[in-house]
Amino acid sequence: AIRMTQSPSSLSASTGDRVTITCRASQGISSYLAWYQQKPGKAPKLLIYAASTLQSGVPSRFSGSGSGTDFTLTISCLQSEDFATYYCQQYYSYPREPLTFGGGTKVEIK
Amino acid sequence: EVQLVESGGGLVQPGGSLRLSCAASGFTFSSYWMSWVRQAPGKGLEWVANIKQDGSEKYYVDSVKGRFTISRDNAKNSLYLQMNSLRAEDTAVYYCARGDLGSGGSCYDYWGQGTLVTVSS
Repeated sequence: AIRMTQSPSSLSASTGDRVTITCRASQGISSYLAWYQQKPGKAPKLLIYAASTLQSGVPSRFSGSGSGTDFTLTISCLQSEDFATYYCQQYYSYPREPLTFGGGTKVEIK
Repeated sequence: EVQLVESGGGLVQPGGSLRLSCAASGFTFSSYWMSWVRQAPGKGLEWVANIKQDGSEKYYVDSVKGRFTISRDNAKNSLYLQMNSLRAEDTAVYYCARGDLGSGGSCYDYWGQGTLVTVSS
């Protein structure tokens, strides 16, 4: 199975900061990558798919980039409601190969 | 409004069985891939299984193959997960999730609230 490695595992930031989270795949996955946001006690929310396509209703301060093995999620101006844990997910060769998630990045208030 | 409501979780002894259900509403259930994704307490997300719109294709993560069975009833707008030979490491919140059409069903645009399965003696 393809392994997804996120970094950092956690970070502290202030409202208004620009935040970047990275995700690395153990093999090339083209642009078959999604990003989710999860708040405590809640289900994940899809933010981005196809590495850079914003899901309907997601604020434009969220953006994604990358292809192959290296990807980034950027929050351009952190808002209070953005403090959460973020996960990447690859879907290369879906559905015959397992979908796999990164370990998560927790964005905390500084 | 799209809604996914899981039920059936609870406490079960190792080696026991449990059947999870997910009731879908607010969309044409038979048009979507559906999946189960789990999250162990304090841990990350793990895809468990998925099923094609007509139930003709099913896929599982290796750790549950031969023990879990995913199924669906399009007439009842319902998704199921039969879990047998449960182990302590199956303890998790289990989410029902809908495959997003824009990504070919491989990302999840709607999730249920989750149901907790605890495997312990």
